[in-house]
Amino acid sequence: KAGVTQTPRYLIKTRGQQVTLSCSPISGHRSVSWYQQTPGQGLQFLFEYFSETQRNKGNFPGRFSGRQFSNSRSEMNVSTLELGDSALYLCASSLVPLNRDRVYGYTFGSGTRLTVV
Amino acid sequence: AQKVTQAQTEISVVEKEDVTLDCVYETRDTTYYLFWYKQPPSGELVFLIRRNSFDEQNEISGRYSWNFQKSTSSFNFTITASQVVDSAVYFCALSEAKSGANSKLTFGKGITLSVRP
Repeated sequence: KAGVTQTPRYLIKTRGQQVTLSCSPISGHRSVSWYQQTPGQGLQFLFEYFSETQRNKGNFPGRFSGRQFSNSRSEMNVSTLELGDSALYLCASSLVPLNRDRVYGYTFGSGTRLTVV
Repeated sequence: AQKVTQAQTEISVVEKEDVTLDCVYETRDTTYYLFWYKQPPSGELVFLIRRNSFDEQNEISGRYSWNFQKSTSSFNFTITASQVVDSAVYFCALSEAKSGANSKLTFGKGITLSVRP
């Protein structure tokens, strides 16, 4: 089956601009999470969506936002880009556990590499 | 708060050597999950294993094996007879267990493994 698809793969933006990244989860996966990966901070959790609602949010400024559509596809938006936003943005999809004894793995996409100049 | 420490940053071995990647975690949760992911140069995080905190059995999958020791809060990963294709960055991650929702992954900083021919 198709994996997690992220578009675009590469993006170059200018400081101050805004950007939208897209993620299509594995069919049947209704939970979508976003992570930012930088050399300095490593992999950091941005937010998680399930049933079109943000369920969990990491410690990022309000310039970072996201949404999920009824087909589980998700987008994340970064407004007023800063140089420090240059990173690999990874999306992960998963099934939602019915109980604590059944947590599923997360399948990641190849990411969108954003460069802010 | 949850924390994952991968004290080794870079490891270089010659093909066919065995190599162990260390992972130490901190959490106050009694039920949690541990993961290992591999990130090749393409950027995608490839899922390797998920372990429930109640299951301390070691696991072997081909050349890969994992040693989970709750007493020392460690979840170490061994590659036997390493191959050049094993060259990648390896991440250990931790998440709490929830019912009806996913929890964020807390990642370690990653270990860059280079396997030389």
